[in-house]
Amino acid sequence: DGGITQSPKYLFRKEGQNVTLSCEQNLNHDAMYWYRQDPGQGLRLIYYSQIVNDFQKGDIAEGYSVSREKKESFPLTVTSAQKNPTAFYLCASSFLQGLYTFGSGTRLTVV
Amino acid sequence: AQTVTQSQPEMSVQEAETVTLSCTYDTSENNYYLFWYKQPPSRQMILVIRQEAYKQQNATENRFSVNFQKAAKSFSLKISDSQLGDTAMYFCACPQGGSEKLVFGKGTKLTVNP
Repeated sequence: DGGITQSPKYLFRKEGQNVTLSCEQNLNHDAMYWYRQDPGQGLRLIYYSQIVNDFQKGDIAEGYSVSREKKESFPLTVTSAQKNPTAFYLCASSFLQGLYTFGSGTRLTVV
Repeated sequence: AQTVTQSQPEMSVQEAETVTLSCTYDTSENNYYLFWYKQPPSRQMILVIRQEAYKQQNATENRFSVNFQKAAKSFSLKISDSQLGDTAMYFCACPQGGSEKLVFGKGTKLTVNP
């Protein structure tokens, strides 16, 4: 079955540590996105990519980095520069405007 | 910049009754889609319904329908015959700047009571 897979489901980060969240899709979608979800804040766009080897910053890109070396994969790295990384992270892909398929999310907690 | 406003942070409804969730948006585009997504307690986001802005007819998907008022930039979601499984966060969304990126509202937490 086609879908989008995020891993891990839960992730714990120590202060000053970089961590990478995985997002893989087998839907053959060109566009992929990373959103951050905080209570009462809805979903906010971190980065997006519309084609391999190209990506753009979203509204809250500071402290995050991404790569898009393969169509199927769009990993997100949360760097030590992100001072408040505790949140729920959602990855999505799409082939048509706004028609997203979402992953099941990664819950990141700073310990 | 596009904005999406959901003015009801929380709502509740009795099972089998009807509830309407509000959404207003701001866009400079002429042709666009609008979306309602649902996030149940499992946190898996699911598309509920979408509306094409150039169509005057309101979209309907089984018990879910929209009331789309283009001039007022209003896009409300009506859930008929509410079921316990409808308990979820509901997010309204519109594309940003004519692109495929979506801007989401802050969500409405809907609870269906037995």
